[in-house]
Amino acid sequence: NAGVTQTPKFQVLKTGQSMTLQCAQDMNHNSMYWYRQDPGMGLRLIYYSASEGTTDKGEVPNGYNVSRLNKREFSLRLESAAPSQTSVYFCASSAGQGAYEQYFGPGTRLTVT
Amino acid sequence: AQSVAQPEDQVNVAEGNPLTVKCTYSVSGNPYLFWYVQYPNRGLQFLLKYITGDNLVKGSYGFEAEFNKSQTSFHLKKPSALVSDSALYFCAVRDFGSSNDYKLSFGAGTTVTVRA
Repeated sequence: NAGVTQTPKFQVLKTGQSMTLQCAQDMNHNSMYWYRQDPGMGLRLIYYSASEGTTDKGEVPNGYNVSRLNKREFSLRLESAAPSQTSVYFCASSAGQGAYEQYFGPGTRLTVT
Repeated sequence: AQSVAQPEDQVNVAEGNPLTVKCTYSVSGNPYLFWYVQYPNRGLQFLLKYITGDNLVKGSYGFEAEFNKSQTSFHLKKPSALVSDSALYFCAVRDFGSSNDYKLSFGAGTTVTVRA
C-alpha cells in the first residue's frame, strides 16, 4: 500500500518548456488535489477533482491544466513553464469532500530557469 | 472567504516541556479544522481534525487540539515535547456550508524546534 505517489521527484525546466507531473493513489479515494507550496505561503490549491470525471479550478489555476485519467490517477500539466512556477508541488487524495482528511504525496520540486 | 492565521513563525521548546502551536480561523459557515505536520523533504501528514462534538480532540503521536468557538481558535498541544517533534506544522480549515466548502485553506505554517 504505497498511498499517494508522485513522479518525478525533481525537475528543472527552461522557460517555455512543458511537462506533466504524475500522481497516483491506491486508497480507492474519490477526490484528488494539486497544491503548490511556496515559502511563507502555506499550500495553495491549483486544481481539484471531486470525483472521477470532474475537475475544477482552485485558487491559482493560471498556467496549469489537469486530467483525471481514472479513479487512481490525476496529472498536472504545465504547458509553457514560467519562473513564477518554481515551487514544490504536492498531490493529495481523500475519500470524499467535507470532513475527510487529505493524504499527501512526497512532492515534486520544480525549478524553472 | 475562509482564512487561517498561525501567528508564530517559529516555536522553540526544550524536550520534555509542553508544546503549543497556535491557530485562529475565520469562516462564514461551519469550520472543519485540521492539523498537519511536514518533516523535511516530505509530504504533509495528517495529525487530527475537529468536525463536531467534543472540543478536545486527540490525534497521532500524542498531539491534541482544543476547538474554541468564541475565540475562533484551534491550538495544537503536546504535554511533553520530543526532539523528533521538530517539524513544520500547518493548520487548515474548510468552510463547510459556504460557497467555498470545496477548499481546504492552509495557514503559512509554524516551524517547531525541540532542543535536547
